[in-house]
Amino acid sequence: EVQLVQSGAEVKKPGESLKISCKGSGYSFTTYWIGWARQMPGKGLEWMGVIYAGDSDTRYSPSFQGQVTISADKSVSTVYLQWSSLKASDTGMYYCARSSSMVRGATFDYWGQGTLVTVSS
Amino acid sequence: QSVLTQPPSVSAAPGQKVTISCSGSNSNIGNNYVSWYQHLPGTAPKLLIYDKNKRPSGIPGRFSGSKSGTLATLDITGLQTGDEADYYCGTWDNSLSAVVFGGGTKLTVL
Repeated sequence: EVQLVQSGAEVKKPGESLKISCKGSGYSFTTYWIGWARQMPGKGLEWMGVIYAGDSDTRYSPSFQGQVTISADKSVSTVYLQWSSLKASDTGMYYCARSSSMVRGATFDYWGQGTLVTVSS
Repeated sequence: QSVLTQPPSVSAAPGQKVTISCSGSNSNIGNNYVSWYQHLPGTAPKLLIYDKNKRPSGIPGRFSGSKSGTLATLDITGLQTGDEADYYCGTWDNSLSAVVFGGGTKLTVL
């Protein structure tokens, strides 16, 4: 059974760093892309970026380039989303999702359960 | 401002049909397949339609997708109250080299 299991909810202060995770199982981890999407309170889904787990080829959405870092560790079948200095505006629900290809479209067939990140002083 | 444009909301009565549009450009919808997702509050988004109107196992035939040029549409027939959710279109943008989604459409089944 394919599963993407995300790390638990986080409460942080502005300026702190954070790394959340998405662990894949039940499939060949290194032959898929994993993407991250943000949903701010009361807003729609926004794509942050995607990473190919096989070689860590990473593509960031323009709005998130330089704001976050996406990485992968094949040895533990896990993709990470990292902030070096959180802002209150980073508060939201973060989802990871799997795609077999970015060619001719990006179809995300399995999704993680979401990680709630709250940034507040 | 989302790269793909969806209406903020649509509504229809149970049993009726609703169409949700998703407008883009040649760099995204015009040259790529579009996927559609259903998102219920507090749950993970679910893939409904991908490629050329394909449905994952378990998605009923009441959901169908089509595309003409730079406009994609999701049709839902035989509406049920359980279909109330937010719906998103998404694809790859060749110019941005990034995944792009629409802003989402809230479906209300009256």
